[in-house]
Amino acid sequence: DIQMTQSPSSLSASVGDRVTITCRASQSISSYLNWYQQKPGKAPKLLIYAASSLQSGVPSRFRGSGSGTDFTLTISSLQPEDFATYYCQQSFNSPRSFGQGTKLEI
Amino acid sequence: QVLLQESGPGLVKPSETLSLTCAVSGGPISDYYWSWIRQAPGKGLEWVGYMFSNGNTDYNPSLQSRVTMSVDTSNNHLSVKLTSVTAADTAVYYCARVAVWGSYDALDIWGQGTTVTVSS
Repeated sequence: DIQMTQSPSSLSASVGDRVTITCRASQSISSYLNWYQQKPGKAPKLLIYAASSLQSGVPSRFRGSGSGTDFTLTISSLQPEDFATYYCQQSFNSPRSFGQGTKLEI
Repeated sequence: QVLLQESGPGLVKPSETLSLTCAVSGGPISDYYWSWIRQAPGKGLEWVGYMFSNGNTDYNPSLQSRVTMSVDTSNNHLSVKLTSVTAADTAVYYCARVAVWGSYDALDIWGQGTTVTVSS
């Protein structure tokens, strides 16, 4: 099984900051990497698929990059509604696996 | 607009079978793949499995011996059953639609989730 490791596990930032979250796969997954945002008590929301493709309706301040084993999610200018937990997920093979999450706090 | 709504008993006794359904509205169920994901209290997301439009399934090996996913195209809903549950199966269970772009896939539409507690 492919293990997905995110760093950091938690991150404190302020409105307007640029933040970067990292996701590392235990083996190469090419560009088969998705990013989700989850707010407390809510279902996850798809932000980025195929490592760098922005899901329809997601603000352009979210950017995904990387390939192989190392990936990043960058939020260019934090907005109040961006404080949430972020998960990466590999879609390279089965079983699909998620990272442990990164909690973005004020 | 496709909407997903999970439902099922909120409380299941240990060793019994957990059964959940997911009603799909706003689009034909047969046009897509579907997935179940769960999240234990305060924990991360765990992929339960996929159900393909041809009825084939792909389960997480950690659950494979206990899980069954099915689809009812006439009523446009999905189902998941998990046998011999323990407290470790206590979680919020989500159904989600699998969007596909060529060889890439992701979970693009999610239900709001349903909480299941395993306790006597």
